[in-house]
Amino acid sequence: AQSVTQLDSHVSVSEGTPVLLRCNYSSSYSPSLFWYVQHPNKGLQLLLKYTSAATLVKGINGFEAEFKKSETSFHLTKPSAHMSDAAEYFCVVSDHIPTFGRGTSLIVHP
Amino acid sequence: EAQVTQNPRYLITVTGKKLTVTCSQNMNHEYMSWYRQDPGLGLRQIYYSMNVEVTDKGDVPEGYKVSRKEKRNFPLILESPSPNQTSLYFCASSPRGSSYEQYFGPGTRLTVT
Repeated sequence: AQSVTQLDSHVSVSEGTPVLLRCNYSSSYSPSLFWYVQHPNKGLQLLLKYTSAATLVKGINGFEAEFKKSETSFHLTKPSAHMSDAAEYFCVVSDHIPTFGRGTSLIVHP
Repeated sequence: EAQVTQNPRYLITVTGKKLTVTCSQNMNHEYMSWYRQDPGLGLRQIYYSMNVEVTDKGDVPEGYKVSRKEKRNFPLILESPSPNQTSLYFCASSPRGSSYEQYFGPGTRLTVT
């Protein structure tokens, strides 16, 4: 069985400050891990994915995530938030059927 | 342009009236799936298909049917919709299985009264 927990339902930052969205997972196998972003009234778009290569994964729009097996975490970070980053973010674990986290809403203040 | 399309984008219907939401992809992907998104619950998989004529249940299949007669199409069928199926539905496709990036359609907002 697998599960994924996004530790914050909302994260609020000021423009230009760092972003940290936290994700913990559990899986019986070596799963694939993803972060997707959903802008208002849009479908989901892949930010980045981990598939057992490098543990630090770089994605689009300056986002990156680090896979830490010992902590079963896959936190998403960005050094400097932009207003356009305001969106819903989903962490996904998949060893067969993908399991989505409940989402973290990122709010960016000017 | 590579894309996943869904129709209709918005649908209001009444309890018990059969409906179909279509999904089509033009990327020759083998894997397709349907999700529903509800506030506070994230996305939950309804059904998926590994290839033509191969479909399987996801986490929340009750009340839904699918078919995969052609590689590009994966319609979602609600034989007798109920109000608890009011939700935002997404179709997605990927080259092979769920370990690959999924490409999502724009969503279908369904209201059942």
